[in-house]
Amino acid sequence: DAKTTQPTSMDCAEGRAANLPCNHSTISGNEYVYWYRQIHSQGPQYIIHGLKNNETNEMASLIITEDRKSSTLILPHATLRDTAVYYCIVRVESGGYQKVTFGIGTKLQVIP
Amino acid sequence: EPEVTQTPSHQVTQMGQEVILRCVPISNHLYFYWYRQILGQKVEFLVSFYNNEISEKSEIFDDQFSVERPDGSNFTLKIRSTKLEDSAMYFCASSLASGSYEQYFGPGTRLTVT
Repeated sequence: DAKTTQPTSMDCAEGRAANLPCNHSTISGNEYVYWYRQIHSQGPQYIIHGLKNNETNEMASLIITEDRKSSTLILPHATLRDTAVYYCIVRVESGGYQKVTFGIGTKLQVIP
Repeated sequence: EPEVTQTPSHQVTQMGQEVILRCVPISNHLYFYWYRQILGQKVEFLVSFYNNEISEKSEIFDDQFSVERPDGSNFTLKIRSTKLEDSAMYFCASSLASGSYEQYFGPGTRLTVT
Protein backbone atom coordinates (compact mmCIF):
# COMPACT_ATOMS: atom_id res chain seq x y z
CA ASP A 1 0.00 0.00 0.00
CA ALA A 2 1.23 3.48 -0.81
CA LYS A 3 2.39 5.65 2.06
CA THR A 4 0.46 8.84 2.82
CA THR A 5 1.60 12.08 4.42
CA GLN A 6 -0.81 14.39 6.20
CA PRO A 7 -0.29 17.45 8.38
CA THR A 8 -0.48 16.61 12.06
CA SER A 9 -3.05 19.26 12.85
CA MET A 10 -5.15 22.02 11.31
CA ASP A 11 -7.61 24.65 12.45
CA CYS A 12 -10.67 25.85 10.60
CA ALA A 13 -13.21 28.53 11.44
CA GLU A 14 -16.77 27.33 11.90
CA GLY A 15 -18.81 27.81 8.72
CA ARG A 16 -15.75 27.95 6.49
CA ALA A 17 -14.53 25.20 4.19
CA ALA A 18 -12.02 22.82 5.72
CA ASN A 19 -9.44 21.63 3.19
CA LEU A 20 -7.44 18.65 4.39
CA PRO A 21 -4.46 17.72 2.20
CA CYS A 22 -2.90 14.32 1.70
CA ASN A 23 0.22 13.39 -0.24
CA HIS A 24 0.49 9.94 -1.76
CA SER A 25 3.26 10.34 -4.31
CA THR A 26 3.92 6.58 -4.61
CA ILE A 27 0.31 5.69 -5.34
CA SER A 28 -0.11 3.05 -8.02
CA GLY A 29 -2.70 3.00 -10.76
CA ASN A 30 -5.11 0.63 -9.07
CA GLU A 31 -5.02 2.19 -5.60
CA TYR A 32 -7.99 4.13 -4.31
CA VAL A 33 -7.85 7.07 -1.92
CA TYR A 34 -10.06 6.63 1.13
CA TRP A 35 -10.88 9.05 3.92
CA TYR A 36 -12.10 8.13 7.36
CA ARG A 37 -12.50 10.26 10.46
CA GLN A 38 -12.65 9.60 14.17
CA ILE A 39 -14.51 11.96 16.43
CA HIS A 40 -13.14 11.82 19.96
CA SER A 41 -13.79 8.46 21.66
CA GLN A 42 -16.07 7.27 18.87
CA GLY A 43 -15.59 4.59 16.24
CA PRO A 44 -13.97 5.60 12.95
CA GLN A 45 -16.39 6.75 10.27
CA TYR A 46 -16.03 6.23 6.53
CA ILE A 47 -16.30 9.52 4.64
CA ILE A 48 -15.53 9.08 0.96
CA HIS A 49 -13.25 7.39 -1.53
CA GLY A 50 -12.14 7.81 -5.13
CA LEU A 51 -9.79 6.56 -7.81
CA LYS A 52 -9.24 9.31 -10.37
CA ASN A 53 -12.28 11.51 -10.60
CA ASN A 54 -13.39 13.99 -8.02
CA GLU A 55 -16.11 12.65 -5.79
CA THR A 56 -18.81 14.30 -3.71
CA ASN A 57 -21.29 12.95 -1.22
CA GLU A 58 -23.43 14.39 1.53
CA MET A 59 -20.47 14.65 3.88
CA ALA A 60 -17.58 15.90 1.79
CA SER A 61 -15.84 16.32 -1.54
CA LEU A 62 -12.65 14.58 -2.60
CA ILE A 63 -10.39 16.29 -5.09
CA ILE A 64 -7.65 14.12 -6.58
CA THR A 65 -4.92 15.76 -8.66
CA GLU A 66 -4.50 14.66 -12.24
CA ASP A 67 -1.24 12.85 -11.48
CA ARG A 68 -2.96 11.30 -8.43
CA LYS A 69 -0.01 12.11 -6.21
CA SER A 70 -2.09 14.15 -3.82
CA SER A 71 -5.67 14.76 -2.82
CA THR A 72 -7.75 17.12 -0.73
CA LEU A 73 -10.75 16.35 1.39
CA ILE A 74 -13.12 19.30 1.54
CA LEU A 75 -15.75 19.80 4.22
CA PRO A 76 -17.69 22.66 2.63
CA HIS A 77 -19.11 24.27 5.75
CA ALA A 78 -17.28 23.00 8.80
CA THR A 79 -19.20 22.75 12.06
CA LEU A 80 -17.97 22.14 15.58
CA ARG A 81 -19.08 18.51 15.18
CA ASP A 82 -16.50 18.09 12.41
CA THR A 83 -13.70 18.39 14.98
CA ALA A 84 -12.00 15.01 14.61
CA VAL A 85 -8.92 13.14 13.42
CA TYR A 86 -9.06 12.61 9.65
CA TYR A 87 -7.27 9.68 8.07
CA CYS A 88 -6.20 9.47 4.43
CA ILE A 89 -5.55 5.89 3.31
CA VAL A 90 -4.64 4.47 -0.09
CA ARG A 91 -5.48 0.91 -0.89
CA VAL A 92 -6.08 -1.47 -3.72
CA GLU A 93 -9.65 -2.65 -3.98
CA SER A 94 -9.75 -6.39 -4.44
CA GLY A 95 -12.10 -9.20 -3.61
CA GLY A 96 -12.86 -10.21 -0.07
CA TYR A 97 -12.06 -8.59 3.23
CA GLN A 98 -9.62 -5.78 3.67
CA LYS A 99 -8.44 -4.49 7.00
CA VAL A 100 -8.19 -0.73 7.39
CA THR A 101 -4.70 0.40 8.37
CA PHE A 102 -4.93 3.70 10.20
CA GLY A 103 -2.05 6.13 10.48
CA ILE A 104 -1.81 9.16 12.71
CA GLY A 105 -4.05 11.37 10.57
CA THR A 106 -4.76 15.09 10.77
CA LYS A 107 -6.38 16.46 13.89
CA LEU A 108 -8.87 19.07 12.66
CA GLN A 109 -10.02 21.61 15.20
CA VAL A 110 -13.06 23.65 14.15
CA ILE A 111 -13.03 26.94 16.00
CA PRO A 112 -16.19 28.90 16.85
CA GLU B 1 -29.81 4.22 8.76
CA PRO B 2 -28.42 0.82 9.75
CA GLU B 3 -25.55 0.87 12.20
CA VAL B 4 -23.19 -1.40 14.07
CA THR B 5 -23.98 -1.69 17.75
CA GLN B 6 -21.73 -2.83 20.58
CA THR B 7 -22.33 -3.86 24.18
CA PRO B 8 -21.40 -3.05 26.82
CA SER B 9 -20.20 0.50 26.32
CA HIS B 10 -17.83 0.14 29.26
CA GLN B 11 -16.53 -3.02 30.90
CA VAL B 12 -14.37 -3.12 33.99
CA THR B 13 -12.72 -6.40 34.85
CA GLN B 14 -9.96 -7.73 37.03
CA MET B 15 -6.72 -9.05 35.60
CA GLY B 16 -7.00 -12.72 34.73
CA GLN B 17 -10.75 -12.66 34.20
CA GLU B 18 -12.45 -13.55 30.95
CA VAL B 19 -14.45 -10.93 29.08
CA ILE B 20 -16.78 -11.15 26.10
CA LEU B 21 -17.41 -8.08 24.01
CA ARG B 22 -20.49 -8.16 21.84
CA CYS B 23 -21.28 -6.63 18.49
CA VAL B 24 -24.26 -6.66 16.17
CA PRO B 25 -23.01 -5.89 12.65
CA ILE B 26 -25.17 -4.40 9.92
CA SER B 27 -27.59 -7.12 8.90
CA ASN B 28 -26.64 -7.70 5.26
CA HIS B 29 -22.90 -7.36 5.79
CA LEU B 30 -20.70 -10.39 5.35
CA TYR B 31 -17.29 -9.34 6.66
CA PHE B 32 -16.66 -8.59 10.30
CA TYR B 33 -13.71 -7.08 12.10
CA TRP B 34 -12.36 -6.19 15.49
CA TYR B 35 -9.98 -3.30 16.08
CA ARG B 36 -8.62 -1.82 19.25
CA GLN B 37 -7.28 1.57 20.27
CA ILE B 38 -5.16 2.01 23.35
CA LEU B 39 -5.63 5.48 24.79
CA GLY B 40 -3.72 8.06 22.77
CA GLN B 41 -2.56 5.55 20.16
CA LYS B 42 -3.58 4.49 16.65
CA VAL B 43 -6.52 2.28 15.83
CA GLU B 44 -5.06 -1.23 15.34
CA PHE B 45 -6.49 -4.15 13.42
CA LEU B 46 -7.06 -7.34 15.41
CA VAL B 47 -8.96 -9.82 13.28
CA SER B 48 -11.26 -10.22 10.30
CA PHE B 49 -13.96 -12.88 9.99
CA TYR B 50 -15.86 -14.21 7.04
CA ASN B 51 -17.98 -17.26 6.42
CA ASN B 52 -17.51 -18.42 10.01
CA GLU B 53 -13.76 -18.37 9.76
CA ILE B 54 -10.95 -16.02 10.64
CA SER B 55 -9.65 -14.46 7.42
CA GLU B 56 -6.70 -12.62 8.90
CA LYS B 57 -5.38 -11.83 12.34
CA SER B 58 -2.69 -9.51 13.57
CA GLU B 59 0.14 -10.39 15.90
CA ILE B 60 -1.86 -8.80 18.72
CA PHE B 61 -4.54 -11.47 18.30
CA ASP B 62 -2.81 -14.25 20.22
CA ASP B 63 -4.21 -17.38 21.86
CA GLN B 64 -5.92 -15.29 24.55
CA PHE B 65 -8.30 -13.90 21.94
CA SER B 66 -11.09 -15.65 20.08
CA VAL B 67 -14.01 -14.58 17.93
CA GLU B 68 -17.33 -16.18 17.28
CA ARG B 69 -20.53 -15.59 15.42
CA PRO B 70 -22.84 -17.65 17.64
CA ASP B 71 -25.99 -16.84 15.71
CA GLY B 72 -27.07 -14.89 12.66
CA SER B 73 -26.68 -11.49 14.26
CA ASN B 74 -24.04 -11.36 16.98
CA PHE B 75 -20.27 -11.24 16.61
CA THR B 76 -18.22 -11.61 19.77
CA LEU B 77 -14.65 -11.07 20.89
CA LYS B 78 -13.50 -13.08 23.88
CA ILE B 79 -10.39 -12.38 25.88
CA ARG B 80 -9.67 -15.44 27.97
CA SER B 81 -7.43 -14.07 30.68
CA THR B 82 -7.22 -10.31 30.61
CA LYS B 83 -4.02 -8.41 31.20
CA LEU B 84 -3.54 -4.80 32.20
CA GLU B 85 -2.30 -4.01 28.70
CA ASP B 86 -5.62 -5.18 27.22
CA SER B 87 -7.18 -1.97 28.52
CA ALA B 88 -8.35 -0.17 25.37
CA MET B 89 -11.34 0.79 23.26
CA TYR B 90 -12.46 -2.17 21.16
CA PHE B 91 -14.27 -1.41 17.93
CA CYS B 92 -16.29 -3.83 15.87
CA ALA B 93 -16.75 -3.13 12.16
CA SER B 94 -18.53 -4.73 9.25
CA SER B 95 -18.46 -4.40 5.50
CA LEU B 96 -20.69 -5.56 2.71
CA ALA B 97 -18.28 -7.58 0.58
CA SER B 98 -16.33 -7.59 -2.62
CA GLY B 99 -13.23 -5.80 -1.50
CA SER B 100 -14.88 -2.56 -0.51
CA TYR B 101 -12.77 -0.70 1.95
CA GLU B 102 -15.90 1.00 3.20
CA GLN B 103 -16.25 -0.37 6.69
CA TYR B 104 -18.82 0.67 9.25
CA PHE B 105 -17.60 0.89 12.81
CA GLY B 106 -19.50 0.56 16.04
CA PRO B 107 -19.24 3.03 18.90
CA GLY B 108 -16.77 0.85 20.78
CA THR B 109 -16.48 -0.86 24.15
CA ARG B 110 -14.10 0.67 26.64
CA LEU B 111 -12.36 -2.18 28.45
CA THR B 112 -10.62 -1.35 31.70
CA VAL B 113 -8.53 -4.08 33.30
CA THR B 114 -7.58 -3.46 36.92
